[in-house]
Amino acid sequence: DAGVIQSPRHEVTEMGQEVTLRCKPISGHDYLFWYRQTMMRGLELLIYFNNNVPIDDSGMPEDRFSAKMPNASFSTLKIQPSEPRDSAVYFCASSSRTGGQETQYFGPGTRLLVL
Amino acid sequence: AQSVSQHNHHVILSEAASLELGCNYSYGGTVNLFWYVQYPGQHLQLLLKYFSGDPLVKGIKGFEAEFIKSKFSFNLRKPSVQWSDTAEYFCAVNAPGGTDKLIFGTGTRLQVFP
Repeated sequence: DAGVIQSPRHEVTEMGQEVTLRCKPISGHDYLFWYRQTMMRGLELLIYFNNNVPIDDSGMPEDRFSAKMPNASFSTLKIQPSEPRDSAVYFCASSSRTGGQETQYFGPGTRLLVL
Repeated sequence: AQSVSQHNHHVILSEAASLELGCNYSYGGTVNLFWYVQYPGQHLQLLLKYFSGDPLVKGIKGFEAEFIKSKFSFNLRKPSVQWSDTAEYFCAVNAPGGTDKLIFGTGTRLQVFP
């Protein structure tokens, strides 16, 4: 399996621009998670989906952030408009709950820099 | 609410030294426990996990962890570290059958000097 795939790997944009991050989970996994990692705040869960349905978005920082999962093999995290404080590494992870033994597998991350 | 504490924020060791990183969690029920490793500039990779059974879990690269239920702990150990073990280590917990969220600790940065 190719693992969790994220694109782009790096993104540099200017404040006010729209940013779209993409994630392809591991085939057969029915959970998808979006995390943000910064030096100041560490690893934060933003939102997660089960069977394409958002379950908990309490970690989404503001209305500028939105996430969708139109099908089982694709999810997007959008920031509009972007701000310099959104600069971080954004990770996507996926998992499958089998007998309660769920393990999350992480993608390589998207390193976002907002100027 | 569940929480995870990693008391060692930064650990510096010489090669061949023994390693033990602390992890304590707060949750009264059955838990699944994980250690992830993040090498510089890379993503999180699963090091080892505990779901049930033998409380001493062996992972990749010579790491092991011991689940001590009475102490709510899941400490990570390695008898002899290498320079290549320089990384950040995250402990995480979730409750089987409950919320699907992984609760992560704040991480421990390990630096190993040759």
